[in-house]
Parts: sequence; structure tokens; C-alpha cells
Amino acid sequence: GAVVSQHPSRVICKSGTSVKIECRSLDFQATTMFWYRQFPKQSLMLMATSNEGSKATYEQGVEKDKFLINHASLTLSTLTVTSAHPEDSSFYICSATMGNTEAFFGQGTRLTVV
Amino acid sequence: GQNIDQPTEMTATEGAIVQINCTYQTSGFNGLFWYQQHAGEAPTFLSYNVLDGLEEKGRFSSFLSRSKGYSYLLLKELQMKDSASYLCAVLDSNYQLIWGAGTKLIIKP
Repeated sequence: GAVVSQHPSRVICKSGTSVKIECRSLDFQATTMFWYRQFPKQSLMLMATSNEGSKATYEQGVEKDKFLINHASLTLSTLTVTSAHPEDSSFYICSATMGNTEAFFGQGTRLTVV
Repeated sequence: GQNIDQPTEMTATEGAIVQINCTYQTSGFNGLFWYQQHAGEAPTFLSYNVLDGLEEKGRFSSFLSRSKGYSYLLLKELQMKDSASYLCAVLDSNYQLIWGAGTKLIIKP
């Protein structure tokens, strides 16, 4: 199947700094990418949907200025957690799809803010 | 409504084989995932099935039957480190992940 590479797999950052997570589709062009997060002991929740070349569509309750999503090309989407705080510590995972087809998932990023 | 069912807890012996079942009822289907999660840690991706059949990956195998709304995760040659929760999740027609509550697997020597 198609491969989605997410980097980094783990990151620890200081409170107040920003962290960028990359999601790359290695062998296909991803017209749509999804970003999810999982809080400890809770289900994975959709944060936003991004289409190449356009602004991301955020789910209710997700702060757009806090979680900056850029989908500048058909193979790369980035999620930047700005001014991170300990409550942003979570597991973030991206997925990519070639339009109305199955989605392929990255391996996830575990963010710890200290 | 959407529903994912898996057993709450299972116990198995080191070196043995265990099968964790998952049944689902969702609005659409774009694949089924199995994750392993140790206490206090983020889940680790194990497998993704979108077509019927068995996917084998080392000691772990995952099976899917879309017509039956059924999947299982098979763990062979169990090791103590396999003690964890195993989460079944289905990607629905809106590409939302619907999660089961998880199966806590206890491995005994």
C-alpha cells in the first residue's frame, strides 16, 4: 500500500515554544490530509482537514491560531503547535488520501511539553 | 449509531497464541486499524486492513471480513512485553476514526 511518513515520531519541547510536525505521502499525491490527536485514555479526534493549496477546515473547538496547518504541496502537510503548553501534550497522527479513496496513516507523533 | 465491540480483558500464557476479536457497525468503511497501547504511552500502530483477508506481520496477524463486520488480531509466541491494551478502530465514510474501548491483554508466565 501507499506510504505516509510522519516526522518526528517523538518530540519533547519547552512550554512556550513551537513544534512542527511533518506528514509526507511518499509514493502518491495526497489531495486531502487529515490531522488527529489523542488525549490519554481518550479516542482519537479529528482536528482538521486540509486540501492542497487551500486553507484547512478545522473541527469545532480546535483553535486555528494554535494549530497551524499548511498543505503547500500534494505530498506534504505540516502541523505547527504554536506556543505549546503542557496541556498540548498528546499523540498527533496524520492521514492522507488521493481524494475519494482509502486513507493512509502516518505512524504518529508523541508530543510532550515540559 | 456507530459501534465497535471488543472484549474488555483477556488473559493468555507466555509462548501461547491469542486472538482478539473486534466487531463493528459503522456508517461506511474505509479501513480497520489495530493499535497497541501500553499504560501511560501513546498507541503504536500495528496493522491496517481495508480488503478482506489476512495480513501477516511477524508475530502479529490481522484478519478482516467486511461482509461480517468482523476483524481479529492474532498474536503468536506471546511475550511478557505483549501485555498491553489492543485497540480496534474503524475509519468511517467521513474518514473519522471510530474507536473501540480496547482489550486489556494480560500475559502470565
